[in-house]
Amino acid sequence: EVQLVESGGGVVRPGGSLRLSCAASGFTFDDYGMSWVRQAPGKGLEWVSGINWNGGSTGYADSVKGRFTISRDNAKNSLYLQMNSLRAEDTALYHCARLRTPVNNDAFDIWGQGTMVTVSS
Amino acid sequence: DIVMTQSPDSLAVSLGERATINCKSSQSVLYSSNNKNYLAWYQQKPGQPPKLLIYWASTRESGVPDRFSGSGSGTDFTLTISSLQAEDVAVYYCQQYYSTPPFTFGPGTKVDIK
Repeated sequence: EVQLVESGGGVVRPGGSLRLSCAASGFTFDDYGMSWVRQAPGKGLEWVSGINWNGGSTGYADSVKGRFTISRDNAKNSLYLQMNSLRAEDTALYHCARLRTPVNNDAFDIWGQGTMVTVSS
Repeated sequence: DIVMTQSPDSLAVSLGERATINCKSSQSVLYSSNNKNYLAWYQQKPGQPPKLLIYWASTRESGVPDRFSGSGSGTDFTLTISSLQAEDVAVYYCQQYYSTPPFTFGPGTKVDIK
């Protein structure tokens, strides 16, 4: 079964850090680009960051640029998001998502259930 | 960045009736070299992650019922549910993948039963 399972969320104070992980299974992980997409409580979807199949190309939303770092370990079938200098507005459910094909511009066909990040003092 | 808008914000449709959701992009998402619209539709039910319904504006993802259809080109797109079923109650999002990063989503349209 093709699956993405996120972990690493929690409650953190403003200015703090968290590292999210996404474990992939059921497909050849290093064939696909991956992204993180977040959803604040009761709000819509916001793309956060993406990475190509080998980690050689990354992209970030302006709202997180300079604070978040995406990476991947293809040997471990895992995607990561290092989140620093966290703000209250980063509070959201963070999903990892797979691009539908190996090209970088495509839809997201597989999504994880998400891991919740709450930034609060 | 390409801005995506959707209308209406919400709609209520009787079971078996048609539901129509509109999506507009701030610039064309049609790539002239392959004549493809880089536009997807997702369905999100409460407590679940988004589910891909449609890509390339009109291609149904495997396993998606044929009552769901996508149409449009350039900057204006439509998702149609031809005969609304109870299980279709959800929020629907459009998303462009023409100009990335960033991938951008519409604000969502909530569909309920009348």
